[in-house]
Amino acid sequence: GNSVTQMEGPVTLSEEAFLTINCTYTATGYPSLFWYVQYPGEGLQLLLKATKADDKGSNKGFEATYRKETTSFHLEKGSVQVSDSAVYFCALRGTTDSWGKLQFGAGTQVVVTP
Amino acid sequence: DTGVSQDPRHKITKRGQNVTFRCDPISEHNRLYWYRQTLGQGPEFLTYFQNEAQLEKSRLLSDRFSAERPKGSFSTLEIQRTEQGDSAMYLCASSSRQGPNYGYTFGSGTRLTVV
Repeated sequence: GNSVTQMEGPVTLSEEAFLTINCTYTATGYPSLFWYVQYPGEGLQLLLKATKADDKGSNKGFEATYRKETTSFHLEKGSVQVSDSAVYFCALRGTTDSWGKLQFGAGTQVVVTP
Repeated sequence: DTGVSQDPRHKITKRGQNVTFRCDPISEHNRLYWYRQTLGQGPEFLTYFQNEAQLEKSRLLSDRFSAERPKGSFSTLEIQRTEQGDSAMYLCASSSRQGPNYGYTFGSGTRLTVV
């Protein structure tokens, strides 16, 4: 079946540091890939997405590129802020789940210190 | 548009009691999903509605769980004879027909604690 693997957290960074969160997936065909962010006490928010190979999703300074050859969708940000402290989830929607079911990774907590 | 609303935000119940959660999706969204999130894990799919029809259920949804979406508007998730293993965050999400390609809108969740 489909699965998503993320790097374990917490990831602790200083403000303005470079952030990378690794995400790899297992799925048949060409799934759609997503990054969601969850701030404390809030629901998950869609951060960015990519629906086909080599697509780059971007939002709020975050980027991720859909790499079919390495089955990866790593999240990056060049200069993090304290406000980026949150839990980040990588997710996929399989090709047979066109109605919308998402498979999530376990999440990676990011802590940014001033 | 106030987003997806879930009620209550927190629920503490004794083992063996029944609980019911409510989800109000974004009004124009015809698709509604329930997920469960345990501590340190990502959300796991429970069930999916398109309008009032429940079209998909995970095997995680045991016989003690039932979900409804009368008239294709709000949805309820009921857990009967709660067990300590049911303690989790229950998340509701909604999307329009185009939603799966663009992601859902999630509610803030209902945190259930079974004591």
